[in-house]
Amino acid sequence: EAAVTQSPRNKVTVTGGNVTLSCRQTNSHNYMYWYRQDTGHGLRLIHYSYGAGNLQIGDVPDGYKATRTTQEDFFLLLELASPSQTSLYFCASSVGGSAETLYFGSGTRLTVL
Amino acid sequence: GDSVTQTEGLVTLTEGLPVMLNCTYQSTYSPFLFWYVQHLNEAPKLLLKSFTDNKRPEHQGFHATLHKSSSSFHLQKSSAQLSDSALYYCASNYNVLYFGSGTKLTVEP
Repeated sequence: EAAVTQSPRNKVTVTGGNVTLSCRQTNSHNYMYWYRQDTGHGLRLIHYSYGAGNLQIGDVPDGYKATRTTQEDFFLLLELASPSQTSLYFCASSVGGSAETLYFGSGTRLTVL
Repeated sequence: GDSVTQTEGLVTLTEGLPVMLNCTYQSTYSPFLFWYVQHLNEAPKLLLKSFTDNKRPEHQGFHATLHKSSSSFHLQKSSAQLSDSALYYCASNYNVLYFGSGTKLTVEP
């Protein structure tokens, strides 16, 4: 089974703080994704990438940057964190885009005070 | 744009009763449809997926039939088990995966 590892598992920061969430997949998948999960909203796509150096905008990109440095590594950056970004963040990967199964990491719980 | 609607936020059932979770979708194209399941404190994982109209995939006793005529992909199971208690997401994929808001299923003894 595909392995997707996220770090840290939990993060607390203050309003205006700078946060980087990390994701690594070791299955040579082309696509990687960042989702946030909030009660009542489900999983919402922030950014995704289909290869190193590529970045695509999802449904809720405001306040987030992302960077795909290698095939394996995808980072989510919050440069001026706000309380509205308190959420559970999931990284996922897939071989391709359409019709492919997504494999999720264990999530990072971010709290912005 | 693409969207997925799950009308029930919370569903509570007694063990042994049938399960039906609703999912409808809106898409300009013919998307692929999925059900993902997320147990407490775990990551979401694929439950089943369907590509072909009227084809009925099954997994762990769950099944779903894609009806393009009604843009629906409802999840069903004949008899609920306590271990089925989880958060269920319907998702639509033409280019990237769009999730519905999720249905929390609680199965009681």
